[in-house]
Amino acid sequence: AQKITQTQPGMFVQEKEAVTLDCTYDTSDPSYGLFWYKQPSSGEMIFLIYQGSYDQQNATEGRYSLNFQKARKSANLVISASQLGDSAMYFCAMREGQKTDKLIFGTGTRLQVFP
Amino acid sequence: GAGVSQSPSNKVTEKGKDVELRCDPISGHTALYWYRQRLGQGLEFLIYFQGNSAPDKSGLPSDRFSAERTGESVSTLTIQRTQQEDSAVYLCASSLLLGGAYNEQFFGPGTRLTVL
Repeated sequence: AQKITQTQPGMFVQEKEAVTLDCTYDTSDPSYGLFWYKQPSSGEMIFLIYQGSYDQQNATEGRYSLNFQKARKSANLVISASQLGDSAMYFCAMREGQKTDKLIFGTGTRLQVFP
Repeated sequence: GAGVSQSPSNKVTEKGKDVELRCDPISGHTALYWYRQRLGQGLEFLIYFQGNSAPDKSGLPSDRFSAERTGESVSTLTIQRTQQEDSAVYLCASSLLLGGAYNEQFFGPGTRLTVL
């Protein structure tokens, strides 16, 4: 079974609008972490936001927020006020447990922001 | 400060040849990770190091793949007898600590390997 599922291969959003990128996960470990990374066409991986399984509040970092619904095992990324520079691939990833930091990645969502 | 660096940035090789990919993590980062990203795909975990030991090698695809780390710093990923399916971008990442609630992994720019 897929550990991380991103069902949207591609998304379009108009500049200044908000967009939600979906991510669902599967784990039986009560302790886990969820990450979102941005990968522009240049290829580097840019860390955006982190949510721990025990965190009581949804994570926020500037224009990025994570809609964490633990019972549904979803961790959707919300980008507010989209900018042209937000056009990139976005990957959701999970770290299971606390004994390893290896990340399990989803297949990604390509976001395109248009004027 | 300097980030994670990888060399070479691009490597083209012939099927059957051996290749070595190098990663220089951020100074002081004890944990180092190797991932592979095939074209249009997400990242696949290969191996990680805590210090110079590798507690988890579960992602290495075959015994043609090996990695080592020396001096709790530089790591080398070696692919022997390369095959065309090895063509991918190989990404290295490092983090300050292993385990715990939150450890951001800092990624290098990757090495693009093309096997002809």
